[in-house]
Amino acid sequence: NAGVMQNPRHLVRRRGQEARLRCSPMKGHSHVYWYRQLPEEGLKFMVYLQKENIIDESGMPKERFSAEFPKEGPSILRIQQVVRGDSAAYFCASSPSEGLQETQYFGPGTRLLVL
Amino acid sequence: GENVEQHPSTLSVQEGDSAVIKCTYSDSASNYFPWYKQELGKRPQLIIDIRSNVGEKKDQRIAVTLNKTAKHFSLHITETQPEDSAVYFCAAPGGGSTLGRLYFGRGTQLTVWP
Repeated sequence: NAGVMQNPRHLVRRRGQEARLRCSPMKGHSHVYWYRQLPEEGLKFMVYLQKENIIDESGMPKERFSAEFPKEGPSILRIQQVVRGDSAAYFCASSPSEGLQETQYFGPGTRLLVL
Repeated sequence: GENVEQHPSTLSVQEGDSAVIKCTYSDSASNYFPWYKQELGKRPQLIIDIRSNVGEKKDQRIAVTLNKTAKHFSLHITETQPEDSAVYFCAAPGGGSTLGRLYFGRGTQLTVWP
């Protein structure tokens, strides 16, 4: 059973460009969470999604950030018009559809650098 | 929302000694408490978790204790080894629901000296 997959692992963007981060949850998992981690800090929640639904986006900035988890394909975190302050590691986690649904497993992360 | 405080921020121990990391939380409705280990440049890995219906859980050299009255939980690592060196994060869900966002502590950098 492959773990949570994220790509790209590293992404470099210039200010004003768009960044698209992808996350494929583990097989059998229908809950996806996105977190942001700044250097030497903990993980900060951004958004919680299930297939075709945003359940909780209270941690996501109101502007420039959006997330989706379509019926087919990976979850996407999209950052428009990136600024230097968006540079961080973005981690996706997933949890099972049944059973121990609260247990979150993390992907390897996407490290975004904005020049 | 939930507020999770974690101490200490750094911890250095000699190989073979024990290490203890403590966390407090604010939302009495929280009922699920995971611990993650993150090596440099790697993903956070779940190492142990505890639910509020038990006070202690053990897995080989790792144990977690929970005091719901005092709203704190602790990670205990015995017989530490150099490969235990990493950043450890505690977390809690808050809000009475185990599904959804996790609130993380700021992390503890554990260094085990050979």
